[in-house]
Amino acid sequence: DAGITQSPRHKVTETGTPVTLRCHQTENHRYMYWYRQDPGHGLRLIHYSYGVKDTDKGEVSDGYSVSRSKTEDFLLTLESATSSQTSVYFCAITFLPGDSGNTIYFGEGSWLTVV
Amino acid sequence: GESVGLHLPTLSVQEGDNSIINCAYSNSASDYFIWYKQESGKGPQFIIDIRSNMDKRQGQRVTVLLNKTVKHLSLQIAATQPGDSAVYFCAEKLSGGSYIPTFGRGTSLIVHP
Repeated sequence: DAGITQSPRHKVTETGTPVTLRCHQTENHRYMYWYRQDPGHGLRLIHYSYGVKDTDKGEVSDGYSVSRSKTEDFLLTLESATSSQTSVYFCAITFLPGDSGNTIYFGEGSWLTVV
Repeated sequence: GESVGLHLPTLSVQEGDNSIINCAYSNSASDYFIWYKQESGKGPQFIIDIRSNMDKRQGQRVTVLLNKTVKHLSLQIAATQPGDSAVYFCAEKLSGGSYIPTFGRGTSLIVHP
């Protein structure tokens, strides 16, 4: 158990509505990530954070924003949800990514359906 | 760019057999590799890792082999059990800088009782 909690675990929302997914960690890890997972694409990085208020974009960041106001929480926001954002979203954490041997641990996922 | 791939999308084995899941990587600068297991409806779970200064690492019923000459990584599961049925991903990390691992798409392992 890597001490990662994602909420909500399941959500159905309508196109055009804002959605926020929350990732909470209890391990005081510095680095946190948001991935989406889709059939045929595997895990793709949306955004990541390397400290409080320090974030950067991943390969599929369009349509998403993030915030990290404290170490333990990393929020992913879809400002105006679209059907293409229907996916499974995974939060992940790692302690010191610059060092080999510091692996990345995943949460249990948030299933989002945009109708 | 760099890529991590898996040779086979699906692997079917009989219970008790040994399973081998393969992964190719393209960047010789990668220095750390991880195998994950993902069961249906769950997040990826860390299985075993290996650093580039090693050729082999063993865990409980699992062994990871690294062949840097041909940029190949494999996961061996001994005495495969039905509970091993899952999707297995490999990931690579490039030396230096921030840790943004690249994941393969996964191989689905199906274990028949």
